[in-house]
Amino acid sequence: NAGVTQTPKFQVLKTGQSMTLQCAQDMNHNSMYWYRQDPGMGLRLIYYSASEGTTDKGEVPNGYNVSRLNKREFSLRLESAAPSQTSVYFCASGDRDRSYSPLHFGNGTRLTVT
Amino acid sequence: QKEVEQNSGPLSVPEGAIASLNCTYSDRVSQSFFWYRQYSGKSPELIMSIYSNGDKEDGRFTAQLNKASQYVSLLIRDSQPSDSATYLCAVNTGNTGKLIFGQGTTLQVKP
Repeated sequence: NAGVTQTPKFQVLKTGQSMTLQCAQDMNHNSMYWYRQDPGMGLRLIYYSASEGTTDKGEVPNGYNVSRLNKREFSLRLESAAPSQTSVYFCASGDRDRSYSPLHFGNGTRLTVT
Repeated sequence: QKEVEQNSGPLSVPEGAIASLNCTYSDRVSQSFFWYRQYSGKSPELIMSIYSNGDKEDGRFTAQLNKASQYVSLLIRDSQPSDSATYLCAVNTGNTGKLIFGQGTTLQVKP
């Protein structure tokens, strides 16, 4: 049981390049989330998908797009990377139908934009 | 005002002491509260959840919730150097399942 799997683990981009971060979960969760973590800032929500077929903006959505490909997979795309997007990105999943469900996190993607 | 606030620390305690970490939140309708531990370079891992006013104990960890004061805390008894990490407070404020996180408190346990 792998839980939440993210790829890649590390990535270096030049300003203006694009990339997609992949996330898959095998816990049959309805909801999936993308957070970014910067020093001293905790975790900030970028986008989330409360259920298959829906996506919504979080706190810091600018510069990102997402796709909920199916129940298992939720990808995050940077169309034109900027140095301000240098961060650690975490994907998470949860069971929204259970009122008190925690989130389960992947191992993170460390992205540097030069 | 930030939705979830924590003192960033670092909080330094000697080995064997009680570490007390605190968190306040702004949304009165918040229903569920979580504490995550995050080691440097790793992902957050859930250590405690609490939903009702009062205390909840799990081994050396005790979570305390006071909804009237909008306050949640985590006590770590008999602190060990392996407890040195950043502790993130998270609050569920709606029916989307999303969590709002505080900035985290760094705990250092000195041998």
